[in-house]
Amino acid sequence: DTEVTQTPKHLVMGMTNKKSLKCEQHMGHRAMYWYKQKAKKPPELMFVYSYEKLSINESVPSRFSPECPNSSLLNLHLHALQPEDSALYLCASSHVGSGSRYGYTFGSGTRLTVV
Amino acid sequence: DQQVKQNSPSLSVQEGRISILNCDYTNSMFDYFLWYKKYPAEGPTFLISISSIKDKNEDGRFTVFLNKSAKHLSLHIVPSQPGDSAVYFCAASPKNYGGSQGNLIFGKGTKLSVKP
Repeated sequence: DTEVTQTPKHLVMGMTNKKSLKCEQHMGHRAMYWYKQKAKKPPELMFVYSYEKLSINESVPSRFSPECPNSSLLNLHLHALQPEDSALYLCASSHVGSGSRYGYTFGSGTRLTVV
Repeated sequence: DQQVKQNSPSLSVQEGRISILNCDYTNSMFDYFLWYKKYPAEGPTFLISISSIKDKNEDGRFTVFLNKSAKHLSLHIVPSQPGDSAVYFCAASPKNYGGSQGNLIFGKGTKLSVKP
């Protein structure tokens, strides 16, 4: 299995809703990432998990809450989002320490719209 | 301020010819440079990487050149095929210290169109 699977592919949520984005990989990767990409912009790192522990939080607002329940799963819990949070949310994974050389494997993303 | 820059938003090339995609960077502490390809409605796909201690890496039709003095890298695709039409992102990875997992910093991307 060489894929990162993200669900749902599309999500529309109100500003008072609580929702979760899910990401799953079975490549034995122990580093997992959340990126956010706005239209015509590059992907921007949000969070990094290494061996299921949060290692990087790029000053992301607390309305985004990541969770890594095991080595294959990564969740992003969303609460009280703003319309400007609408974006493509990408999950990625890699081997720890060699992601820079061999690249991260990205999922297809969740297109989030906040209304 | 952008640390990784792709100054050409788009590039159009005839099938069979060479495509050259360019990328500039400002930080001398990058360890690896990577190229990703992205089709609409899909996540980025890793293409090729180069270590900061190398000046060239080749994989099939794809070659990446690194000019450290100019802080410039380029991706050459020869021969270009219509299926290569996509957005290409340049990314850079800062040197990691203490074994921690680092970040990839992406450029804004260049949209390549290969015409039959």
